[in-house]
Amino acid sequence: TQLLEQSPQFLSIQEGENLTVYCNSSSVFSSLQWYRQEPGEGPVLLVTVVTGGEVKKLKRLTFQFGDARKDSSLHITAAQPGDTGLYLCAGVSTYKYIFGTGTRLKVLA
Amino acid sequence: GAGVSQTPSNKVTEKGKYVELRCDPISGHTALYWYRQSLGQGPEFLIYFQGTGAADDSGLPNDRFFAVRPEGSVSTLKIQRTERGDSAVYLCASSSPPDNEQFFGPGTRLTVL
Repeated sequence: TQLLEQSPQFLSIQEGENLTVYCNSSSVFSSLQWYRQEPGEGPVLLVTVVTGGEVKKLKRLTFQFGDARKDSSLHITAAQPGDTGLYLCAGVSTYKYIFGTGTRLKVLA
Repeated sequence: GAGVSQTPSNKVTEKGKYVELRCDPISGHTALYWYRQSLGQGPEFLIYFQGTGAADDSGLPNDRFFAVRPEGSVSTLKIQRTERGDSAVYLCASSSPPDNEQFFGPGTRLTVL
């Protein structure tokens, strides 16, 4: 069974702080995605990383795919209250998406 | 254009009853997925359709769960003899080549009393 573990599970920080969320698996994936989900809505895709070692930046968010394509990290610089939400990683193998356990982030003003 | 829609948004039923959950994907999307999300967890894969056929139903928990997509567009997830453990948010997503990005609906919150 493919499992994706995310850490931390919960994170509450002050506005302006930096944070990193980790996504780890024992399985290799062809690509890895990060989503953000707000209450009452479905997840929304933030980024897809494909190549081992790849780094992608999306404004204040930096995503990295591990060299072995088994793990990934999401770093947020200068967090804002609008970043609050559930962050999910998803490993992709052909058509199948395996979602991580989620990291619930709360950014306090 | 319209996104993925799901109806109903909330469904409360009693243990043992039958329920149907509907998903309207983005027009023209060939792939459709159903997921189940329990409180505080990530979505769990249930079934994947490519066109009208279920290409992978390995995530369906047992034979009480069944899904159809007869015309390759709208899909219905059917749950027989509901149990309290079936309570969750059921998410639907659709995608299409070339990038196959999944677009999710808002989900149906199912509560089995």
